[in-house]
Amino acid sequence: DQQVKQNSPSLSVQEGRISILNCDYTNSMFDYFLWYKKYPAEGPTFLISISSIKDKNEDGRFTVFLNKSAKHLSLHIVPSQPGDSAVYFCAATGANSKLTFGKGITLSVRP
Amino acid sequence: GAGVSQSPSNKVTEKGKDVELRCDPISGHTALYWYRQSLGQGLEFLIYFQGNSAPDKSGLPSDRFSAERTGGSVSTLTIQRTQQEDSAVYLCASSSSVTNGYTFGSGTRLTVV
Repeated sequence: DQQVKQNSPSLSVQEGRISILNCDYTNSMFDYFLWYKKYPAEGPTFLISISSIKDKNEDGRFTVFLNKSAKHLSLHIVPSQPGDSAVYFCAATGANSKLTFGKGITLSVRP
Repeated sequence: GAGVSQSPSNKVTEKGKDVELRCDPISGHTALYWYRQSLGQGLEFLIYFQGNSAPDKSGLPSDRFSAERTGGSVSTLTIQRTQQEDSAVYLCASSSSVTNGYTFGSGTRLTVV
């Protein structure tokens, strides 16, 4: 039972354009959401997070949007750079502090 | 050290053998997690240690899997009688607070032949 879903396995965008990575969740008890970035042969690294009391959090080129009613969040990267090419995982947690991850999406940014 | 350290980085073992995977978390992090990533899959939760509390073992896939955390620091994940489906990258993470995000190690790539 996938509680965190990243339905698209991959995304390819042109350098300089916007990348939009989507994530859906089913557990209404989740109240904190995170995005992680993973390069090959490395562990995932924390990118950005958002609490359920907010609908937007911005950090430089990265913005995460949360739509609680739709149980949907998205990560926007503007402008996209070739170095952003990686696997991006959406994750969610509730009171137990245990992160539940999606399957990830492979982003390719074309020069 | 500055980060989460895992050893070995790669392990090839024969089916039926036992393996031990080690994790050194960031000093002072009270929470330690084990996840695994199988080919084409997301990060699958295995076990979670928080301070002196009883660990959350709800993600361990079978009784062949066990983990311990000694002295609130180093953790060892043991897989007994390994099977080919155990082949995956095993990732350890530690945190001081989930709102600060987990810090992951580089993982141990386990291959059971």
